[in-house]
Amino acid sequence: DTAVSQTPKYLVTQMGNDKSIKCEQNLGHDTMYWYKQDSKKFLKIMFSYNNKELIINETVPNRFSPKSPDKAHLNLHINSLELGDSAVYFCASSNIHGNEQFFGPGTRLTVL
Amino acid sequence: SQQGEEDPQALSIQEGENATMNCSYKTSINNLQWYRQNSGRGLVHLILIRSNEREKHSGRLRVTLDTSKKSSSLLITASRAADTASYFCATGTPSNTGKLIFGQGTTLQVKP
Repeated sequence: DTAVSQTPKYLVTQMGNDKSIKCEQNLGHDTMYWYKQDSKKFLKIMFSYNNKELIINETVPNRFSPKSPDKAHLNLHINSLELGDSAVYFCASSNIHGNEQFFGPGTRLTVL
Repeated sequence: SQQGEEDPQALSIQEGENATMNCSYKTSINNLQWYRQNSGRGLVHLILIRSNEREKHSGRLRVTLDTSKKSSSLLITASRAADTASYFCATGTPSNTGKLIFGQGTTLQVKP
């Protein structure tokens, strides 16, 4: 009964490939987020969706495209992967006011 | 940059001692939250303090907020080895979109 789950946990791929990370929450929350944490542990928001509608879209390259098929899922697709995309990506969810965010376990992406 | 700063970046104490971490931020806030991240895991919400509050307690945690100085502190009393983790402050923006701006984090090591 994991609250926020992500798959895969590890992702190793070559430059130029396209990959997806999936996220699901069973908390009944309306809002979901994607964060990127770099090697210095700096955590930055990328996107947020509220009930399948894009709310926050930070200055993220167009190669990153979030997709929310329903309010319990928010997937992240990355095209033409670059070395600088290597990081840990976290999915999170919250109620609409975002007071407390629940984080998934993270996906460590390594681009070779 | 909106990124907040935390100090110290690293803190090492003995079990039983108190640990204090500080966070400064730059923009107006709706609330300030503290999260813990164990190595290789996702973030876990610890406590939230609203912009009109000055102090809040939760178990062994005490958080203060000084909006005039744009700063907050997290005190963990009677620390335990299990408190070893990275601690992040995150500010919620007045837009109430759920966007959180994270600080750089403090790595706490509690020696048994």
